[in-house]
Amino acid sequence: AQSVTQLGSHVSVSEGALVLLRCNYSSSVPPYLFWYVQYPNQGLQLLLKYTSAATLVKGINGFEAEFKKSETSFHLTKPSAHMSDAAEYFCAVTPPGRRALTFGSGTRLQVQP
Amino acid sequence: DAGITQSPRYKITETGRQVTLMCHQTWSHSYMFWYRQDLGHGLRLIYYSAAADITDKGEVPDGYVVSRSKTENFPLTLESATRSQTSVYFCASSDHPGLAANNEQFFGPGTRLTVL
Repeated sequence: AQSVTQLGSHVSVSEGALVLLRCNYSSSVPPYLFWYVQYPNQGLQLLLKYTSAATLVKGINGFEAEFKKSETSFHLTKPSAHMSDAAEYFCAVTPPGRRALTFGSGTRLQVQP
Repeated sequence: DAGITQSPRYKITETGRQVTLMCHQTWSHSYMFWYRQDLGHGLRLIYYSAAADITDKGEVPDGYVVSRSKTENFPLTLESATRSQTSVYFCASSDHPGLAANNEQFFGPGTRLTVL
């Protein structure tokens, strides 16, 4: 069975600072990996996905993530945080050939002025 | 372009009552999913459907029933609601049945259900 661990349920950064949200997965084969964002009182929106092509994946709103097989990680980064980035972020995984996603428990990002 | 909608957006019910949450998508996506979101658990899959009349259990199916008589609708029924089913419920859909790599799921706005 696969699982996803997001380290840190809450992360706080200053506006303009680097954003780093951590995600580690456990899977016997490299899965497909996703980052979703949830703004208050809204559904989830896809930020980016890794599908075994390039290991560095660029997403929307300036976010990117790097797949590191040796570390079983897929951390999300953004060079400079903006106030509008405040939201909850979910890492999700699905093994090749499967459809349903397994989500991490989420990380709430707070951006301080 | 309505996308994926859920109704009601908010629901308060009592223990033991039957409740049905509706989900409708306008893209003719093959796959549809129901998740519940609880603090500290992220989203957990309740049921999913690969096509009309094909459904399968997810991680937390107990106490829930689904049906999919039409591709665009995927209702979720709580046959006898319990307090532990108080949660936010999200419906999602995805396409590309032959390419799981394109497994982007599109989410509805959610239904906040409170069971008293």
